[in-house]
Amino acid sequence: GENVEQHPSTLSVQEGDSAVIKCTYSDSASNYFPWYKQELGKRPQLIIDIRSNVGEKKDQRIAVTLNKTAKHFSLHITETQPEDSAVYFCAAGSARQLTFGSGTQLTVLP
Amino acid sequence: NAGVMQNPRHLVRRRGQEARLRCSPMKGHSHVYWYRQLPEEGLKFMVYLQKENIIDESGMPKERFSAEFPKEGPSILRIQQVVRGDSAAYFCASSPQESNTGELFFGEGSRLTVL
Repeated sequence: GENVEQHPSTLSVQEGDSAVIKCTYSDSASNYFPWYKQELGKRPQLIIDIRSNVGEKKDQRIAVTLNKTAKHFSLHITETQPEDSAVYFCAAGSARQLTFGSGTQLTVLP
Repeated sequence: NAGVMQNPRHLVRRRGQEARLRCSPMKGHSHVYWYRQLPEEGLKFMVYLQKENIIDESGMPKERFSAEFPKEGPSILRIQQVVRGDSAAYFCASSPQESNTGELFFGEGSRLTVL
């Protein structure tokens, strides 16, 4: 089955700096790579996703890159704000069965 | 359009009791997924259902756990004879169609505590 590794587990950045979270996956058949943001006690919410036929996708301050050859994908958040503080999860697979990473606790310091 | 509705939000059970968690998907969604989240861990896939069909239950423990999505009514995740290790947040998600790619819409979760 799919195995997803996510790093780092915790990340602190100053407000306005960039944050990068990286994930690797093992199953070359995976073709869907979403990123979810989960605030404490809340539901995971999709913030951006990328499909295997695309190498990069950007949505305002958030971007995701995918390297299918190396089986890794990354989340980039620029100009971070305190409200970006949350746990971020990467996932790989298909909508039918997603395998999630273990999460990154991002703290944006004012 | 209401989102994915889960209840109860919090459930406390003693060891050996049964827990029933309910999930109503978003309107127009016919696919339901259950995920389990242990404290400070990621989401683990449990089961994928369509109306009256279990499509993939490869993540479900072989004993004590069962899931259904009847023709009428919500999806139910049932845990019999609960043990302390079952304490977790159980998230339900739904999607409008089966495809290899597509957003999952999550509910707020049901937090089970086993005493």
